[in-house]
Amino acid sequence: GAVVSQHPSRVICKSGTSVKIECRSLDFQATTMFWYRQFPKQSLMLMATSNEGSKATYEQGVEKDKFLINHASLTLSTLTVTSAHPEDSSFYICSADPGGFSYNSPLHFGNGTRLTVT
Amino acid sequence: DAKTTQPPSMDCAEGRAANLPCNHSTISGNEYVYWYRQIHSQGPQYIIHGLKNNETNEMASLIITEDRKSSTLILPHATLRDTAVYYCIVRVDNYGQNFVFGPGTRLSVLP
Repeated sequence: GAVVSQHPSRVICKSGTSVKIECRSLDFQATTMFWYRQFPKQSLMLMATSNEGSKATYEQGVEKDKFLINHASLTLSTLTVTSAHPEDSSFYICSADPGGFSYNSPLHFGNGTRLTVT
Repeated sequence: DAKTTQPPSMDCAEGRAANLPCNHSTISGNEYVYWYRQIHSQGPQYIIHGLKNNETNEMASLIITEDRKSSTLILPHATLRDTAVYYCIVRVDNYGQNFVFGPGTRLSVLP
């Protein structure tokens, strides 16, 4: 089945530093990937849609200059949290769309990255 | 995307069938019903999806009512490892469409 790999699984950083999270589709190509954020005991909230070769589309209230997204290839999207603050501590999850008008094309999710900003 | 409603929590005895309901009364004709689950501190795991016919795979069965306004996910023999939050999502099966997650149902499988 389709596998999405997310790295790192956990990261602790100091306030003011930047952190990069990678999302890779291992056995399929994904023109579109999605980035979600999840706070404790809450559901996933879409942050942005990442499109290969073009600028990401951010949801309302998500700062594009703070959460930099790069989707340079069909198998890799990165999310960089710049100048991280403690309130950015959260669980970040990516997903990738195997694509096509196919009956069997559910989104596949990475295992998430737990970010703690101290 | 259509909104879904699910009970916030459910319990199920280990070895028994777990039946998780979902209402999607405003679903449109080209929207599929997807089920995912999320075990603590992991990413969502795809379970099953369907349009209007009942579906079954190695994990679960999906029963969709004839009017498509509701569905039920059935885990035929629940185990402790099935304890998770289960999300019912409706989405047009077009490329590039994200999933909108509601609060889901927290299923607790009890020994």
